[in-house]
Amino acid sequence: GQSLEQPSEVTAVEGAIVQINCTYQTSGFYGLSWYQQHDGGAPTFLSYNGLDGLEETGRFSSFLSRSDSYGYLLLQELQMKDSASYFCAVSGSYTGRRALTFGSGTRLQVQP
Amino acid sequence: DGGITQSPKYLFRKEGQNVTLSCEQNLNHDAMYWYRQDPGQGLRLIYYSQIVNDFQKGDIAEGYSVSREKKESFPLTVTSAQKNPTAFYLCASQDRTDQPQHFGDGTRLSIL
Repeated sequence: GQSLEQPSEVTAVEGAIVQINCTYQTSGFYGLSWYQQHDGGAPTFLSYNGLDGLEETGRFSSFLSRSDSYGYLLLQELQMKDSASYFCAVSGSYTGRRALTFGSGTRLQVQP
Repeated sequence: DGGITQSPKYLFRKEGQNVTLSCEQNLNHDAMYWYRQDPGQGLRLIYYSQIVNDFQKGDIAEGYSVSREKKESFPLTVTSAQKNPTAFYLCASQDRTDQPQHFGDGTRLSIL
């Protein structure tokens, strides 16, 4: 099957850098995605890694190591509006389908 | 503007009743998905459809049914067989499997 592990909560101060780790188990790995969800809202796409290495999009970066089944999301210059839940999601060929399996989410609280 | 529309935003179900959640997209995406999210948890896949007139069960399909008669529409019926339907239901669409999923604003279902 597929499973993901990420920390349940992270706290950081405004302006700081925070890293959210994600380890996964899957068969037929295709890629690792990151989504942000504010309370009561819908998830929004942040980043996707299909190959090893770092992807950068503004203040957000995401890293993938397929050999270690590991990835992380890096948030720089934290702002209060970054307080949200962050989900890693893996797409793989489990049971022959290419659909996302989500982790349980990391709740990030940014403090002033 | 292109996007995904879910309705209603809030829905209440009486015991023994079937209810249908609407999901419409005008993004011309082939793939559509239904997820369930319980408080403090990640998203779990209920059903997905890669093309019109075809759909597949996800991880928690029991007590749910779907149809895909048109590319734009993927309604989800929560049947009376689903004994614990209270949750946040999210619909998503996707252009290709290496592209991000786009989510609607969700429907909150509660039991009366």
